[in-house]
Amino acid sequence: EVQLVQSGAEVKRPGATVRISCKASGYTFIDYYINWIQQAPGKGLEWMGLVNPEDDEIMYTEKFQDRVTMTADTSTDTAYLELSSLTSADTAIYYCAARPHGGEGFEFWGQGTLVSVSS
Amino acid sequence: DIQMTQSPSSLSASVGDRVTVTCRAGQSIGTYLIWYQQKPGKAPKRLIYDTSILQSGVPSRFSGGGSGTDFTLTISSLHPEDFATYYCQQSYSIPYTFGQGTNLEIK
Repeated sequence: EVQLVQSGAEVKRPGATVRISCKASGYTFIDYYINWIQQAPGKGLEWMGLVNPEDDEIMYTEKFQDRVTMTADTSTDTAYLELSSLTSADTAIYYCAARPHGGEGFEFWGQGTLVSVSS
Repeated sequence: DIQMTQSPSSLSASVGDRVTVTCRAGQSIGTYLIWYQQKPGKAPKRLIYDTSILQSGVPSRFSGGGSGTDFTLTISSLHPEDFATYYCQQSYSIPYTFGQGTNLEIK
């Protein structure tokens, strides 16, 4: 069974940095891109970027590129999202999602990690 | 960035109804269109990819169509478990972009 299991909810102060993990199992980790998607409370889905575990290729959206770092560790089949300089606007659920190389759409999703930013 | 616009934003329907959700892309995306279903408190689930290919395990009452800029998601006969929010997403170019969502509610 394919699973993406994310780390637990976080509460952060403005200006802080958060790091979220996404542990993959049940498939070959390097065969899928890991994408990160933000969903603000009551809002829609916004793609933040991706990391390719096969070669560490990364792509970030312009909105987040100055504050985000996405990495993948093939020794533990775990991907990470780091977001810095947090503000209340970053309060959201963050999902990791896997897209197969040569495939379309996000086939597998993590359960989501709620990040709350508050002073 | 390619803008994706869904209509309607919300829809009330009854069990057994046939419903169609429309997604329009800001430029031609070929058939690089995916549909997701999201239920409250859950992660989205891929329903359809490449415009019309059903994800394994998705009931055949779901279907997708279109090409270029105009796409549809149709549910032929609503079941109670189909009441959810539906999103389209283009995978033609990065940054990947989603429609704003269609909230399908029980009438």
